[in-house]
Amino acid sequence: DAGVIQSPRHEVTEMGQEVTLRCKPISGHNSLFWYRQTMMRGLELLIYFNNNVPIDDSGMPEDRFSAKMPNASFSTLKIQPSEPRDSAVYFCASRTTGVEQYFGPGTRLTVT
Amino acid sequence: DQQVKQNSPSLSVQEGRISILNCDYTNSMFDYFLWYKKYPAEGPTFLISISSIKDKNEDGRFTVFLNKSAKHLSLHIVPSQPGDSAVYFCAAFGGSNYKLTFGKGTLLTVNP
Repeated sequence: DAGVIQSPRHEVTEMGQEVTLRCKPISGHNSLFWYRQTMMRGLELLIYFNNNVPIDDSGMPEDRFSAKMPNASFSTLKIQPSEPRDSAVYFCASRTTGVEQYFGPGTRLTVT
Repeated sequence: DQQVKQNSPSLSVQEGRISILNCDYTNSMFDYFLWYKKYPAEGPTFLISISSIKDKNEDGRFTVFLNKSAKHLSLHIVPSQPGDSAVYFCAAFGGSNYKLTFGKGTLLTVNP
């Protein structure tokens, strides 16, 4: 079975540009999570979807960040406009009814 | 306010010896704990978990111990192998129906 799929794996962009990160959760999983990992703050939960509905977006740092889940097999995290401090590794994770979350390989974002 | 703390950023052990990774938590609402392992350029992968009703859970070379009164858990790896070299994250669940709270991780290096 395929795990969580994320694209792109690496993204380098200039400050001010729009960035879109993509995630395909494991089939049958009904919960999806977006995380950001930085050296300073570790793994931070940005937003959580359950059955495609955003339940908690309190971790989204500011209005420049937005996330959507139009269907059960696809989600996007968009940053517009991007800033150098957004440089981090962004992970998507999914789960069913259990506690364990299954992570994708991540997208390394560099904003210059 | 860091609710899950891994106070050792790194640990180095010899192949064949025991590795002990530690984790402390502050929130008494946490009732389930997990360890994840992360290799470079990959997402965290679930390793082992323990419910708060237990004090020990074992899976092959990996054992997790929970001391609820001390709000402390540890992961023991015996015997350690070079392939165990990775970052290990402690995570806690409870007080909500979805959120995992992660520590900042400990880099384990197992030397041949």
